[in-house]
Amino acid sequence: RKEVEQDPGPFNVPEGATVAFNCTYSNSASQSFFWYRQDCRKEPKLLMSVYSSGNEDGRFTAQLNRASQYISLLIRDSKLSDSATYLCVVNGRRSGNTPLVFGKGTRLSVIA
Amino acid sequence: DTGVSQNPRHKITKRGQNVTFRCDPISEHNRLYWYRQTLGQGPEFLTYFQNEAQLEKSRLLSDRFSAERPKGSFSTLEIQRTEQGDSAMYLCASSLAGPYNEQFFGPGTRLTVL
Repeated sequence: RKEVEQDPGPFNVPEGATVAFNCTYSNSASQSFFWYRQDCRKEPKLLMSVYSSGNEDGRFTAQLNRASQYISLLIRDSKLSDSATYLCVVNGRRSGNTPLVFGKGTRLSVIA
Repeated sequence: DTGVSQNPRHKITKRGQNVTFRCDPISEHNRLYWYRQTLGQGPEFLTYFQNEAQLEKSRLLSDRFSAERPKGSFSTLEIQRTEQGDSAMYLCASSLAGPYNEQFFGPGTRLTVL
């Protein structure tokens, strides 16, 4: 089983739609969870850190389910500018200060 | 701009040549990471430093790869005797030591080995 698994997509949604991505991770000792956004041929940019039972930032909501070892990202009222690849990222160790493990990403295209 | 910077942005080299990349982290960050990313994949960890100490190296980091962070500020990643399989985006990230380890990435160096 891969450490971090995501549906690669693509998800093609109209503007204004709500879209959700899920991600599963294999290491139950993981302590830190993130969603990064990556535009084509650009570096990953931190979108959200996911804390305890989840958090919200504007149109974006992230949820963590430790028992089932999955993380979700919900995007409401999709904008054209949300088109990107969304990377699910897990810190793979009990200690926070260690390398991140990335999923392959889920590609989102928001269509006018 | 106080973000992570990397140089060069692009490098084209012939197989067998040596290349060196530089990363300047966010100034107050004491942790620095190198990752490699190929098309369709997420970034894969290579190595990381806390201050000048190299604390961990991935099994991906073959003997041809070496990284340094001599004064605990900028870092260099050298690849000796490059191979076509080394073609990738090399990403640098930095963070503050702490419980959440939020890492911030530079723009990357895209390496093409002919």
